[in-house]
Amino acid sequence: QVQLLESGPGLVRPSQTLSLTCTVSGASITSDDYHWGWIRQPAGKGLEWIGRIYASGSTIYNPSLTSRVTISVDTSKNQFSLNLNSVTAADTAVYYCARDNGALAYWGQGTLVTVSS
Amino acid sequence: EIVLTQSPDTLSLSPGEGATLSCRAGQSVSSGYLAWYQQKPGQAPRLLIYTASYRAGGIPERFSGSGSGTDFTLTISRLEPEDFAVYYCQQYGSSPWTFGQGTKVEIK
Repeated sequence: QVQLLESGPGLVRPSQTLSLTCTVSGASITSDDYHWGWIRQPAGKGLEWIGRIYASGSTIYNPSLTSRVTISVDTSKNQFSLNLNSVTAADTAVYYCARDNGALAYWGQGTLVTVSS
Repeated sequence: EIVLTQSPDTLSLSPGEGATLSCRAGQSVSSGYLAWYQQKPGQAPRLLIYTASYRAGGIPERFSGSGSGTDFTLTISRLEPEDFAVYYCQQYGSSPWTFGQGTKVEIK
């Protein structure tokens, strides 16, 4: 059974960098069969796909965020990470990691990140 | 990017009734790569349907998906109490993946 768990600070100051990690269990993050992604959801609103990292290590991002976002993998820890820089209050949301093979079959529980001074 | 518009925004129904949810894309979704998710308060979305009509593992048969091109439908044949939730469609035929705004299925 694939499980994902997000971790990271719940509060980030404006203009700083939001950094989250997703720990994967039940699947190898290096498997050619899987890709891994991040999605976010502001309170009371819909879902926004942020981007994903392929098994090869290549990445693809939402054009609305591409100038500020980086997704990377730590194969030694079976983890992948999200960095979003120059954050503002508009980046306040629940952030989810997921196995992203297009359809998102496995999700983490989500972690709330608030951007505030 | 492909804009997805769901209708209606809210559906008020009673347990045992059927539900029909619509998702319309601004342009054709490549290869029918359209998924449906169910989300309950405080929970992550759960994948119900992928590639327009294939049920994900463990999803009851009362959930079915159909459609192609720009018009897709999620049908719940008989609503169970646990089905009252928000439903999202998502296309993954072209990047960036995009989601509809959601349809809330509420108890009448």
